[in-house]
Amino acid sequence: GEDVEQSLFLSVREGDSSVINCTYTDSSSTYLYWYKQEPGAGLQLLTYIFSNMDMKQDQRLTVLLNKKDKHLSLRIADTQTGDSAIYFCAEKADYKLSFGAGTTVTVRA
Amino acid sequence: EAGVAQSPRYKIIEKRQSVAFWCNPISGHATLYWYQQILGQGPKLLIQFQNNGVVDDSQLPKDRFSAERLKGVDSTLKIQPAKLEDSAVYLCASSRNTGELFFGEGSRLTVL
Repeated sequence: GEDVEQSLFLSVREGDSSVINCTYTDSSSTYLYWYKQEPGAGLQLLTYIFSNMDMKQDQRLTVLLNKKDKHLSLRIADTQTGDSAIYFCAEKADYKLSFGAGTTVTVRA
Repeated sequence: EAGVAQSPRYKIIEKRQSVAFWCNPISGHATLYWYQQILGQGPKLLIQFQNNGVVDDSQLPKDRFSAERLKGVDSTLKIQPAKLEDSAVYLCASSRNTGELFFGEGSRLTVL
């Protein structure tokens, strides 16, 4: 959606860290989410962050939120081939979930 | 716990024909969503149900799309008549009220 923007592609070497960036426009967003979509599959929730937090860590995933700049990022440590997928950023405002266009992450050996 | 079930997985039709998609949400999930995902884009909300009532259908093209959730469980999404630009994956999702969304695998529609 036009309210959430992401870079379209990211190529990363196996074992390196991946950083996927997202910007959103609605300052009333309550939650921000990262979803993963593998080929032919539905979206799977990876992690989320409440809008009054600035960081959340969950195993290899780190979410950073800069509410002032309306910028969200997802860092994947030690990227593996199984992390190759499309990653969607989404914001929730007024009970509605709006998605970005997705970032295609390709992990190369 | 069984996930969100959708059918058919794939459908190919000619323009001006009609098509219907079915969704069975996770048991106990009051909220059901239909999203349209065009290739290369993020999912776009078409309609959101809370039990059997419509919460938001502002982006549903009502001249050709319709959706119902009669008993507050299963839902169907219909397109009649289909246009070429309706080619997309139609994703159904459900949640307990407005919490985490769980998505089905989607129904891929190709309109020729």
